Amino acid sequence: EDKVVQSPLSLVVHEGDTVTLNCSYEVTNFRSLLWYKQEKKAPTFLFMLTSSGIEKKSGRLSSILDKKELFSILNITATQTGDSAVYLCAVIHGSSNTGKLIFGQGTTLQVKP
Amino acid sequence: DGGITQSPKYLFRKEGQNVTLSCEQNLNHDAMYWYRQDPGQGLRLIYYSQIVNDFQKGDIAEGYSVSREKKESFPLTVTSAQKNPTAFYLCASSINRKVADTQYFGPGTRLTVL
Repeated sequence: EDKVVQSPLSLVVHEGDTVTLNCSYEVTNFRSLLWYKQEKKAPTFLFMLTSSGIEKKSGRLSSILDKKELFSILNITATQTGDSAVYLCAVIHGSSNTGKLIFGQGTTLQVKP
Repeated sequence: DGGITQSPKYLFRKEGQNVTLSCEQNLNHDAMYWYRQDPGQGLRLIYYSQIVNDFQKGDIAEGYSVSREKKESFPLTVTSAQKNPTAFYLCASSINRKVADTQYFGPGTRLTVL
């Protein structure tokens, strides 16, 4: 059965800390992995990863994919209270051109002042 | 402004009633999707459509129905057959049905069955 598993499920840190969120997957015909940030409503897109070993970076956030070990990490350095959110990992898979996503459960990050 | 809109933001329904959730996009995206989000379970795919007048069941389609009569609109009907409809419903769209495109989400509709 195709699945995406995120860890930890929740995390509490203080401002300035660095956090690493994990996403492992087992899917048929992997195509891409996406990270989203969900604060209160709509998930907002962060990164799409397709190739192994190539780091994507946006400000204090970065992510990398390991297609051999079937996982991805999302790093946030110098965390701020505004980083508090649910971080969702999703994998696009399938042999047909469907763009179907399988989502992980999400990691709830709380950054305390 | 371009984007995806969903309405209403909050919806209350009595048991046994059908209810339709609206999703509209003006991004000229080919593909549209409906997800359901429950606490601790991430997002699960209900239905998706890659082109007008065509749609496919997702992983949890039972008790739901959709239509895609226009490219910009993909309404979801939650029928009385859905056993546990209380959830947060998210609509998404992506540019092209032929590639593994990023999906962009609307603001969601929170449905509560009383």
